[in-house]
Amino acid sequence: DTGVSQDPRHKITKRGQNVTFRCDPISEHNRLYWYRQTLGQGPEFLTYFQNEAQLEKSRLLSDRFSAERPKGSFSTLEIQRTEQGDSAMYLCASSLKQGPYEQYFGPGTRLTVT
Amino acid sequence: AQSVTQLGSHVSVSEGALVLLRCNYSSSVPPYLFWYVQYPNQGLQLLLKYTSAATLVKGINGFEAEFKKSETSFHLTKPSAHMSDAAEYFCAVSDPARDDKIIFGKGTRLHILP
Repeated sequence: DTGVSQDPRHKITKRGQNVTFRCDPISEHNRLYWYRQTLGQGPEFLTYFQNEAQLEKSRLLSDRFSAERPKGSFSTLEIQRTEQGDSAMYLCASSLKQGPYEQYFGPGTRLTVT
Repeated sequence: AQSVTQLGSHVSVSEGALVLLRCNYSSSVPPYLFWYVQYPNQGLQLLLKYTSAATLVKGINGFEAEFKKSETSFHLTKPSAHMSDAAEYFCAVSDPARDDKIIFGKGTRLHILP
């Protein structure tokens, strides 16, 4: 068990550029979650997958955001036409479906939009 | 809708003193409750969780929390603070029937004074 990994750990981009983040969950976990955390706030739910199916999306996830988990393993989160308000820490977590579940978090990707 | 309120965005205690971080929740159903810790530039680590078994929950690093339904509280305590406890602590709630996302509080930063 190597834990949840995220890549890159830091990303600096200019406004209007597209960025993509990757999350590798714990291998046997079939649920994968994305959260966003801004300074001084707790993480906010964005979306989650069960295997390859995206089951829920938050209203925070505008149409510039898209997430995929094509083979039910790793996931990508893409932000198109980035805005300064997108600057945040993007956290990924994974869990088993069976409850009482426990979500294991990765180290996060810190995005800075200049 | 579920929510969590953490009282005090910053708490300072002396090394060796009692740590008390306050959390009140709102939920229309019996909830699952969690405390997570976040060290600088790292993801979240689960300290402990309440899932409707024992109301006094013991976690890692000497922390414990007590679920009090009458007070809708889930305060986190540790008898003796250590310098290594300095971090951000998040209380969180979820609906056991909808184990798809966790709602986090805004966090409390714990400072340990030498």
